[in-house]
Amino acid sequence: DAGVTQSPTHLIKTRGQQVTLRCSPKSGHDTVSWYQQALGQGPQFIFQYYEEEERQRGNFPDRFSGHQFPNYSSELNVNALLLGDSALYLCASSLGPGTSTDTQYFGPGTRLTVL
Amino acid sequence: RKEVEQDPGPFNVPEGATVAFNCTYSNSASQSFFWYRQDCRKEPKLLMSVYSSGNEDGRFTAQLNRASQYISLLIRDSKLSDSATYLCVVNGITGGGNKLTFGTGTQLKVEL
Repeated sequence: DAGVTQSPTHLIKTRGQQVTLRCSPKSGHDTVSWYQQALGQGPQFIFQYYEEEERQRGNFPDRFSGHQFPNYSSELNVNALLLGDSALYLCASSLGPGTSTDTQYFGPGTRLTVL
Repeated sequence: RKEVEQDPGPFNVPEGATVAFNCTYSNSASQSFFWYRQDCRKEPKLLMSVYSSGNEDGRFTAQLNRASQYISLLIRDSKLSDSATYLCVVNGITGGGNKLTFGTGTQLKVEL
């Protein structure tokens, strides 16, 4: 049973560039959430996708956008990269949003460095 | 005020010790609560859910006090392998979706 997978594992970009991160959810899961974790901080919620729609969004600028595909996989896009976007980007999958008991399982993350 | 607050530590304890972590949350409408464990440069992994009635999983006991908006985690008989960062997590449901809100984490170092 495959868990949550993310690609790439590491990425180095320069300021102003654009980046796309990818996530495949755990088998049987249909909901994908994205988080940003800066060094020494807890993960911060970016947004959540279910049925190919953004269902909820955290306090992130429009430079952060996403997409969910019919097979439930998801992409996170960040435009006009800033130095402060350097972080570990985590994808979490779960079964159905909006239920109080769904558990989110995390992928290994993509470590993005912006120079 | 942060939505979820934890003492960042580090807590340095000898092997075999009992250690307790506390966490407070600000949103009284929060629906469910968890402790996640995160090893250095790895993803968070679910340690246990937290219920008002309290729940225990081996050496780990979690407790929720909704009236005080307070969550705790007790680790008994600490092992070297318990060294990690422990994240207090609150799940809120709004607008057809739900999001996890994390504390900054409490670092635990178990020493010989």
